[in-house]
Amino acid sequence: AQTVTQSQPEMSVQEAETVTLSCTYDTSENNYYLFWYKQPPSRQMILVIRQEAYKQQNATENRFSVNFQKAAKSFSLKISDSQLGDTAMYFCALGLVEYGNKLVFGAGTILRVKS
Amino acid sequence: KAGVTQTPRYLIKTRGQQVTLSCSPISGHRSVSWYQQTPGQGLQFLFEYFSETQRNKGNFPGRFSGRQFSNSRSEMNVSTLELGDSALYLCASSLDSRGHSEGGEAFFGQGTRLTVV
Repeated sequence: AQTVTQSQPEMSVQEAETVTLSCTYDTSENNYYLFWYKQPPSRQMILVIRQEAYKQQNATENRFSVNFQKAAKSFSLKISDSQLGDTAMYFCALGLVEYGNKLVFGAGTILRVKS
Repeated sequence: KAGVTQTPRYLIKTRGQQVTLSCSPISGHRSVSWYQQTPGQGLQFLFEYFSETQRNKGNFPGRFSGRQFSNSRSEMNVSTLELGDSALYLCASSLDSRGHSEGGEAFFGQGTRLTVV
């Protein structure tokens, strides 16, 4: 079975500072992808960043970057220069190629950016 | 390009009734997945449809069913509603069945909030 664990139910950060959200996962498969999704109060799930498991290089998207440690099965998200619009629930998700487009989600971390 | 459209946005049903939710994927996308989101259980995968065929199924009772039409639009049905079925139901649209490959990311709709009373 595949599992995704987010151990931080809530976090807060001052505007313009950096914050890191943690995620660990478990799977015996080798062909998978990892994602961070953002869900603001509007409930719209938005893809923040993706990482292919076969790539060693950590993915980056503007202010968002990941620290992917495959051996440790760890996939953390770093948000730099935090903005008020980053306030949302963040979900870590695991997708196995063998299982089509199915995603296994973590419980989520509520991030509050304070001015 | 229009996003994923879910209808209705809100729904109130009585225990024992049945309900049908609709999802129109992004134009050209052929895969539709459904998820249930609750405060207690989080986001749980219900099923995925691709080219009118169910590809994957989560661990939900048979009261939860779905289908996909030739235009890729999908519906999910819940029969004999229970209070515990109250949730946000999210639909995700993907280009094809390659499973998260480049360009195959899932795009989500805004969800249908179902309340069972």
